[in-house]
Amino acid sequence: DVKVTQSSRYLVKRTGEKVFLECVQDMDHENMFWYRQDPGLGLRLIYFSYDVKMKEKGDIPEGYSVSREKKERFSLILESASTNQTSMYLCASGTGTAFLEQFFGPGTRLTVL
Amino acid sequence: QKEVEQDPGPLSVPEGAIVSLNCTYSNSAFQYFMWYRQYSRKGPELLMYTYSSGNKEDGRFTAQVDKSSKYISLFIRDSQPSDSATYLCATVNDYKLSFGAGTTVTVRA
Repeated sequence: DVKVTQSSRYLVKRTGEKVFLECVQDMDHENMFWYRQDPGLGLRLIYFSYDVKMKEKGDIPEGYSVSREKKERFSLILESASTNQTSMYLCASGTGTAFLEQFFGPGTRLTVL
Repeated sequence: QKEVEQDPGPLSVPEGAIVSLNCTYSNSAFQYFMWYRQYSRKGPELLMYTYSSGNKEDGRFTAQVDKSSKYISLFIRDSQPSDSATYLCATVNDYKLSFGAGTTVTVRA
């Protein structure tokens, strides 16, 4: 079974803090993704990576950066957290050029106070 | 305009009813259409996908695409309490998935 794990289920941070969200997958997938999920807006793609050290902006990259130093690990960084970044963050991984099936982690509920 | 729009729900049905979920999409060039299911406190998981137009059946689930009207549907027959979840439609655009907002379904025992 594919497993995608995220470092925390719940996180509370203060405005202005630097926040790291970590994601690890164990199936040797080339592609990894970070989404945020908000009520009424669904999942929105923040960044994705199709190879180590490669990254592409998604639909809402502002205020975020990413790092992929190893194939199995994809990190999302909030350089200076703001209250409008309070959300559920979901990491996913997938293989090949068929972006159809992505395997999601359980999510991190981030609250920025 | 969002690439995929989904009926917001929520939907509450008695056990055994047929559940009908609908989405519309904006770009006639889209070819792949997916349905993901998300249980509470879990990440989404792929339920099924279709290519181009037509129907696809998998057990109690049927996915339907009508390209002429840019309409995507998911039907759940003989619904069970275990089907209670949020259902998200999605399509592939330029190697990225675009998701609808999701419809939360509750099947009452």
